[in-house]
Amino acid sequence: EPEVTQTPSHQVTQMGQEVILRCVPISNHLYFYWYRQILGQKVEFLVSFYNNEISEKSEIFDDQFSVERPDGSNFTLKIRSTKLEDSAMYFCASILNRALDHEQYFGPGTRLTVT
Amino acid sequence: DQQVKQNSPSLSVQEGRISILNCDYTNSMFDYFLWYKKYPAEGPTFLISISSIKDKNEDGRFTVFLNKSAKHLSLHIVPSQPGDSAVYFCAAKRAGSQGNLIFGKGTKLSVKP
Repeated sequence: EPEVTQTPSHQVTQMGQEVILRCVPISNHLYFYWYRQILGQKVEFLVSFYNNEISEKSEIFDDQFSVERPDGSNFTLKIRSTKLEDSAMYFCASILNRALDHEQYFGPGTRLTVT
Repeated sequence: DQQVKQNSPSLSVQEGRISILNCDYTNSMFDYFLWYKKYPAEGPTFLISISSIKDKNEDGRFTVFLNKSAKHLSLHIVPSQPGDSAVYFCAAKRAGSQGNLIFGKGTKLSVKP
């Protein structure tokens, strides 16, 4: 069964450094999302992406964050200058079409630790 | 700002019995309500959904009930199996949003053999 994959599974970085989290959505999917879950808290929406554009973003997704689909398979989340509070699990998700945008397929997540 | 609330952080049920997980919400603009299941070291997995125009949706052992007047939904699992042990997230989607799912904090279900 096709699945969303994410790399790395765990990323440790120093405060102020740039990180890029990578996702490979399911191959024929067209809509892509990033969420994060700070330890002990709820899963929070960051951004949705379609047709090479951001379609919606949350208040969390400030100028330090950016997303890109650099080729036909990868979907990346970049954090320019990481802060301690960026430590969280980051989940990528994808769907085939908007009619089913509530049934999102999530990847296993990348645990980001900022020291 | 807790638009979706799951007030029980954990629930323990005997195998074969019914598990009932509850969720409350505050935003009347939600058009879909979902339940996602999450095992450790995995991402959330979609389980079942219900449109705001319905009051019940059933899929095998899983049934979701929606009470719009009370702004409450519940997930029933019958019969519960040990493999159902996981964290269950209630989530909602606002009408017109671009797939922005709003999650509750989750309820950890333990089904004991």
